[in-house]
Amino acid sequence: QVQLQESGPGLVKPSETLSLTCTVSGDSISGYYWSWIRQTPGKGLEWTGYIYYSGSTYYNPSLKNRVTMSVDTSKNQFSLKLSSVTAADTAVYYCARGTGYCSPISCYGNFDYWGQGTLVAVSS
Amino acid sequence: DIQMTQSPSSLSASVGDRVTITCQASQDIGNYLNWYQQKPGKAPKVLIYDASNLETGVPSRFSGSGSGTHFSFTISSLQPEDIATYYCQQYDNLPLTFGGGTKVEIK
Repeated sequence: QVQLQESGPGLVKPSETLSLTCTVSGDSISGYYWSWIRQTPGKGLEWTGYIYYSGSTYYNPSLKNRVTMSVDTSKNQFSLKLSSVTAADTAVYYCARGTGYCSPISCYGNFDYWGQGTLVAVSS
Repeated sequence: DIQMTQSPSSLSASVGDRVTITCQASQDIGNYLNWYQQKPGKAPKVLIYDASNLETGVPSRFSGSGSGTHFSFTISSLQPEDIATYYCQQYDNLPLTFGGGTKVEIK
């Protein structure tokens, strides 16, 4: 059974960098695209972007060049870094596996496996 | 970005009722639409993909239809375990976007 588990600090100070890691078990990280999706009461579900096992990425322009994703195939993990955070970045962050494939136009398929989610609060 | 507008934002229905949720896309997305169910404190779970295909293991009381800009999601006979928030999500264009959600409650 495929399982995803987010890890990282639950509290980040304003202007600092949020860092999260998703560990995948039960299947190889290769052959799929992987995403971070965050959820806030105000903005609902927001897709932050994707990363392939090869390292290719796409980031949601709404995050204004603050986001970086990376992958470590040897550990079956992928990570999210979000810089210059504000209170608006307070959210539950989910990692998720995408079926299908990504092209320059879109990422096809759906998100079939998700982590349990981790709440990250931005506060001093 | 493609905007996904769901309605209603919440509804209350009785067990056994037929429940329908609609999702409108701001531009033609063909059938590139998924529906997710999210129960409190849990991650979303895909129920319908490609607008009308039932994910393996999902009860047949759930169904989806539509194409282009208008889509609907139906629960043919509402069960107590269906209490959740439902989201549509388009994958016709980047960035991927979700609807605002419809919270379903039991009357």
